[in-house]
Parts: sequence; structure tokens; C-alpha cells
Amino acid sequence: GDSVTQMEGPVTLSEEAFLTINCTYTATGYPSLFWYVQYPGEGLQLLLKATKADDKGSNKGFEATYRKETTSFHLEKGSVQVSDSAVYFCALRKRPDSWGKLQFGAGTQVVVTP
Amino acid sequence: SQTIHQWPATLVQPVGSPLSLECTVEGTSNPNLYWYRQAAGRGLQLLFYSVGIGQISSEVPQNLSASRPQDRQFILSSKKLLLSDSGFYLCAFMGRARDRGSTDTQYFGPGTRLTVL
Repeated sequence: GDSVTQMEGPVTLSEEAFLTINCTYTATGYPSLFWYVQYPGEGLQLLLKATKADDKGSNKGFEATYRKETTSFHLEKGSVQVSDSAVYFCALRKRPDSWGKLQFGAGTQVVVTP
Repeated sequence: SQTIHQWPATLVQPVGSPLSLECTVEGTSNPNLYWYRQAAGRGLQLLFYSVGIGQISSEVPQNLSASRPQDRQFILSSKKLLLSDSGFYLCAFMGRARDRGSTDTQYFGPGTRLTVL
């Protein structure tokens, strides 16, 4: 079945460091891929997405490129801030899928220290 | 604009008591609706989804049930809570093609933190 695998956390970084969170997936066809972020005590917010191979999603300094050949969608940010401390979830949506169900990874906690 | 509300924000309930969590969506018609549970330190588990009024699909067998009495209202219920029902419950929606914005994306509510003692 479909699955999403993320690197385990917590990932601890100093402010202004480079962040990479690895995400790989298993799915038939060409799924849509998403990164969601969850700040402490809150719901999930969509961070970025990509719907086809080689698409790059970007938002708030974060980027991720849909790599069909490596079935990956790694999240990167060049210079993190303390406010980026959160849990990051990678997810996929199969296509076609009229129900719109998402398959989430386990989440990666990121802690940024001053 | 499209918004999603959940209440209550937090809830502490004794084992064996009933449960009712509510989720409402504004600014869209006939959305797909979803209930997720997030156990402490773990990922999200899809519990139920609905593509229309009265249409509920369950993803996992459990002590919970869901209902959709109105187009933009989604309710999560239990007759008797278990300790294992504790967690963070998230409601989400996905708009339809005629709405503004993407139909490929789920938007989440703020969540309800449930503690069963």
C-alpha cells in the first residue's frame, strides 16, 4: 500500500542553520505531495505542495522538489529561525482519488535554539 | 474566505462518559470532511471521512462514530469513552472544484485536545 517515510526527530539546530527533512514515499502512479507544519498546541497548516514530477513547492523560505526518480520530497530551508520550531509532516494524495484522503508520515520535530 | 472551526478546544472526560466534538466549515459548499486523531508524539490517523450529508466512511474500527447532519457540520461521537481515546482530534476539509482555491488540499481546524481519565 501507499506509505510515507520521514526522518525521525527531534532535529535540533541553531538559529540560521540549514535544515533538511527527508521524506520518501511509496505509491502507484503520480501522487500529489504535501508538507504540513504543526506549531505547538495547534492544528496543521499547509506549508507547500507539488502535484507533478520536478515541481518545486515553496513558502516562507521552505522549498521541496518532487523527485519521481527517487520518490522523494525533501524539505529544505536555508536559514532557520526559532519560530520554525514545530513538527513537520510529509503527506501524499493518490490520484485519481475522489475522496481526497491523505497518507501522512510520522512527523519530524524540529527544535531551533537561539 | 474558507474557515474551519472546532470546539471545544480542550476537554477532560471520565472513562465511560459520552463524547461529542463538533466541526463546522464556512465559505465553501459540499466539502469533503475528515476526522483525524493524533496520539501523543505520534502521527495522524484518519478516523472518518465524508463526501456528503449522511455519508460517512470509517477507516479503522474503534469506539467512535461520526455524523454529518448538515453540509458543513461534522460531529465525532462516542457513547462510552475509553482511556485509549485520549488524543488530539483534528477536523479537516477539502473544497470542491467550483470553490476558489485548490481542490487538492486539505485544510485543518485548530484541534480538540481530549483527555480521558
